Amino acid sequence: KNEVEQSPQNLTAQEGEFITINCSYSVGISALHWLQQHPGGGIVSLFMLSSGKKKHGRLIATINIQEKHSSLHITASHPRDSAVYICAVEAAGANSKLTFGKGITLSVRP
Amino acid sequence: NAGVTQTPKFRILKIGQSMTLQCAQDMNHNYMYWYRQDPGMGLKLIYYSVGAGITDKGEVPNGYNVSRSTTEDFPLRLELAAPSQTSVYFCASTGLAPSSYNEQFFGPGTRLTVL
Repeated sequence: KNEVEQSPQNLTAQEGEFITINCSYSVGISALHWLQQHPGGGIVSLFMLSSGKKKHGRLIATINIQEKHSSLHITASHPRDSAVYICAVEAAGANSKLTFGKGITLSVRP
Repeated sequence: NAGVTQTPKFRILKIGQSMTLQCAQDMNHNYMYWYRQDPGMGLKLIYYSVGAGITDKGEVPNGYNVSRSTTEDFPLRLELAAPSQTSVYFCASTGLAPSSYNEQFFGPGTRLTVL
């Protein structure tokens, strides 16, 4: 069993829809990261959180430490949001090493 | 700042050849990492470094070597290339550590094919 599980595996949405991507993990963590990988391959950090909720533009990330679960929400989705969204956890005392989920491929249709 | 840079972007190797993937960062980051990304799989940690002169193995180190003689550079060496090393390689760095609050900055990746 992977330490980091993401769901759904793939996701297709219509422009304007509200999108939720989920991440569950099985180990104690010091932080959880959400990353975005565009078709060109580059990886960008979206959020890093250890509790509560963070918001940046149309993106919202939440984490529930007790339930070992995080969600990434995209409001008013747009075709430019099409990308792979990766969840990664930083285990406690891990020297900032990350364990990654497989990623969710999101396609937003105009 | 250029951030994290990687060279080359693409490379095709024959089985048994060797090569070095270059990685450099200009953010004065202590921590640097090498990951590989295989289709349908999450990124896997190959090696990491917590500072100049200090390196350690990650999850999949076999067939690779690293060195960290300066804060800026963290090259990854493949000595005897094998088809199983066909992958996309990402270098990343992060700032002051240990800390839970530092995002990782990724290089653009190197796509390596071993035939």
